[in-house]
Amino acid sequence: EVQLVESGGGVIRPGGSLRLSCAASGFRLDDYGMSWVRQAPAKGLQWVSAINWNGGTTGYADSVKGRFTISRDNAKNSLYLQMNSLRAEDTALYYCAREVGATRAFDLWGQGAMVTVSS
Amino acid sequence: DIQMTQSPSSLSASVGDRVTITCRASQSIRSFLNWYQQKPGKAPKLLISAASSLQSGVPSRFSGSGTGTDFTLTISSLHPEDFATYYCQQSYFTPFTFGPGTKVDI
Repeated sequence: EVQLVESGGGVIRPGGSLRLSCAASGFRLDDYGMSWVRQAPAKGLQWVSAINWNGGTTGYADSVKGRFTISRDNAKNSLYLQMNSLRAEDTALYYCAREVGATRAFDLWGQGAMVTVSS
Repeated sequence: DIQMTQSPSSLSASVGDRVTITCRASQSIRSFLNWYQQKPGKAPKLLISAASSLQSGVPSRFSGSGTGTDFTLTISSLHPEDFATYYCQQSYFTPFTFGPGTKVDI
């Protein structure tokens, strides 16, 4: 089955760190660019970060630049998001998403991993 | 950054109604515009990419149009399962940005 499964979410104090993982199955991860998208409770969608197929190019939303790092291990068919210096406003459901073709639309999404930043 | 706006922010409709949602970009994004449907507690689902390309498995009552800065998503005849929130998203430049969403309810 073609799917993405996120893990690594949890409750963390402000200033703490967390690493999210996204395991891909049913397809070769190195055929695709990937992104992380988050959704705060009862809010809209916010793109967080993207990485190209081989990890050579990355991009970040201004709100996370310098604090979050996206990476991938194609041999393990996995995508990661290292989140440091977490803030209350980072509280959200984090989705990994597969980019499709030249349009870079997100055609496959995981179920999400919840990150709660609270003291 | 490219800002995306949507109108209306919400609408009430009935089964069988024709529904149109508008999305506007703060600068030209050519046709790099995608539409997603999200139901409560679920991940978003890609409906349309490249402004008008219907994804496989998406019913033909959904259609998209537009180029440049102005885009529309149309549902020709609303079905019960279409009650959801719809987001537009530009994939022309990073940071990719989403519209604030349009909630379609009964």
